[in-house]
Amino acid sequence: GENVEQHPSTLSVQEGDSAVIKCTYSDSASNYFPWYKQELGKRPQLIIDIRSNVGEKKDQRIAVTLNKTAKHFSLHITETQPEDSAVYFCAVRGSGNTGKLIFGQGTTLQVKP
Amino acid sequence: EAGVAQSPRYKIIEKRQSVAFWCNPISGHATLYWYQQILGQGPKLLIQFQNNGVVDDSQLPKDRFSAERLKGVDSTLKIQPAKLEDSAVYLCASSLGGVASDTQYFGPGTRLTVL
Repeated sequence: GENVEQHPSTLSVQEGDSAVIKCTYSDSASNYFPWYKQELGKRPQLIIDIRSNVGEKKDQRIAVTLNKTAKHFSLHITETQPEDSAVYFCAVRGSGNTGKLIFGQGTTLQVKP
Repeated sequence: EAGVAQSPRYKIIEKRQSVAFWCNPISGHATLYWYQQILGQGPKLLIQFQNNGVVDDSQLPKDRFSAERLKGVDSTLKIQPAKLEDSAVYLCASSLGGVASDTQYFGPGTRLTVL
């Protein structure tokens, strides 16, 4: 089945710096790649997503890039702020028709003021 | 728009006891998912419903876990009997349309502790 690897597991940056989180997946037929942000004790919230027919998508300080050939996609956060501190999960929807998401292990981002 | 609702928010039980969780999806959402999130890990799908039919329950431990979605709206997830390793947050999510519908919206979760 689909396997999703996420790196790094923890990331600490200074406020204003950029943060990059990378995920790799195994099923070349995967077609949808969302990123979720989960603050401590709260629900995961979708922050950005990308489909397999697009290479890059941007929303203000957040961007996602997809390399289908290499089977990896990355989350880029620019001008980080303390409120960006959270756990970030990548996910992959496989080639089946169920809509099932396979999640990565998560990255704990700490933005130091 | 109201979000996905779950109850209870917290539950503590002894091993071998039973427990049930409830989920009310976003109004009009046909697809409902139950995920298990163990501390320090990403959510793992347990079961997916399309209206009141099961689409995927391949990772549901059926000897102890059961779920239903009567009338295609609310859903309950039950564990009987519970084991220590069932300690986790149980997240319910819903999405709008058919099985390939993209955006999943999560509820606040139920944190289960099995002693």
